[in-house]
Amino acid sequence: NAGVTQTPKFQVLKTGQSMTLQCAQDMNHEYMSWYRQDPGMGLRLIHYSVGAGITDQGEVPNGYNVSRSTTEDFPLRLLSAAPSQTSVYFCATRTYDYGYTFGSGTRLTVV
Amino acid sequence: DAKTTQPPSMDCAEGRAANLPCNHSTISGNEYVYWYRQIHSQGPQYIIHGLKNNETNEMASLIITEDRKSSTLILPHATLRDTAVYYCIAMTGRRALTFGSGTRLQVQP
Repeated sequence: NAGVTQTPKFQVLKTGQSMTLQCAQDMNHEYMSWYRQDPGMGLRLIHYSVGAGITDQGEVPNGYNVSRSTTEDFPLRLLSAAPSQTSVYFCATRTYDYGYTFGSGTRLTVV
Repeated sequence: DAKTTQPPSMDCAEGRAANLPCNHSTISGNEYVYWYRQIHSQGPQYIIHGLKNNETNEMASLIITEDRKSSTLILPHATLRDTAVYYCIAMTGRRALTFGSGTRLQVQP
C-alpha cells in the first residue's frame, strides 16, 4: 500500500513549457485534490475531484487543468508555465472520517 | 468553514508535553476540529480530529471546550521530530481543506 505517489519529485521548466504532474493513489479514495505551497506560506487549493469524471476549481485554479478518468489517477497540467508557478505541489486524497493523506510533493521551478 | 486563530510560534522542551491552543469561536454545530502538521518540506500529516468529545490516538490528544469555541492539541512527550508547523482547521467533513498560517512548534533539546 503506497498511499499517494507523486512524480516527479523535482522539475525545472522554462517559461512557456508545458508539463503534467502525476498523482496516483492505491487507497480507492473518491476524493482527490491538488495544493500548491509557496515558500513560507500555507497550502492553497488548486483543483479537486469528488470522483472519476468530476472535477472542480479551488482557490487558485488559473493556469492549471485537471482531469479524472480513473479513481486512481489525478494529473495536474500546466499548459504554459510561468515563473509565478514556481512552488511545491502536493496531491492529497481524503476519506470522510479519517482526513487527508498527502503525497510527498513535487518541487517545481520555472525559469 | 469557521475561522481559526493560533499563536504563530511556540517552544517546548524535549520530553515535556506540548499544548497547542486553537480558537474557533464561530464554529458551527456540524464542523469538526482537525489538526494536521507539516514537518519541513514534507506533505502535511493528519494528526487527529473531533466534534465535541475529547479524543486520543497514538499521536496526540485533542481537548475541546464544552462550548466548542476553542481546543488544545496535546503532544504528551514531545521529541525533536515533533518540530513542525501545526494547523488547526474547523470544517465539515465534506468541504475542501483550507489551511491558515498555523503554529510553528520548536522542540528544544
